Amino acid sequence: EPEVTQTPSHQVTQMGQEVILRCVPISNHLYFYWYRQILGQKVEFLVSFYNNEISEKSEIFDDQFSVERPDGSNFTLKIRSTKLEDSAMYFCAITRTSGNTIYFGEGSWLTVV
Amino acid sequence: DQQVKQNSPSLSVQEGRISILNCDYTNSMFDYFLWYKKYPAEGPTFLISISSIKDKNEDGRFTVFLNKSAKHLSLHIVPSQPGDSAVYFCAASASGFNKFYFGSGTKLNVKP
Repeated sequence: EPEVTQTPSHQVTQMGQEVILRCVPISNHLYFYWYRQILGQKVEFLVSFYNNEISEKSEIFDDQFSVERPDGSNFTLKIRSTKLEDSAMYFCAITRTSGNTIYFGEGSWLTVV
Repeated sequence: DQQVKQNSPSLSVQEGRISILNCDYTNSMFDYFLWYKKYPAEGPTFLISISSIKDKNEDGRFTVFLNKSAKHLSLHIVPSQPGDSAVYFCAASASGFNKFYFGSGTKLNVKP
């Protein structure tokens, strides 16, 4: 049973369009994360989020990206103007309030055409 | 940012034999290590972890070994089963830094 649920599972969007990926944690959590995996490549860290603000972000997480908790439970990743190279599997993840293990959702597969 | 490396992109093993997946890291600040299993189009699933205060952790068919001096860890699966066929990622983190670094993965194929 995944610790977080992600929607959509798959989205196809045109280049330049905005995309919002959503994540809902199931269990008590401490940190939220977004990771992505471009096909055939490694799992890359994008951003971590703690106490309603960004804790850390990678070089990939530029001004095109933003994260929010719009209603206190959902956690969203927004890509403002998608590029072809944004095509990837995006994973939401959490660490629980106890322990230091990261748990992933099922992923949202984004295809930019 | 290659702080965690998995140098073998693939491994093929016969069912019933041992699978050994390797991982190297460069950052001596890392003190917690994890292994994940990933099927296509699914999220990585946590398998087993080890703290740097230990050199071995076992959970059923899975054992992780840590060699701090060599900055090397390995995952042993015994006996290997066809259902173990997946991509395996190792990951590392450092206390006080809530960021996990992942290797590029090793695709394990267990042949019946």
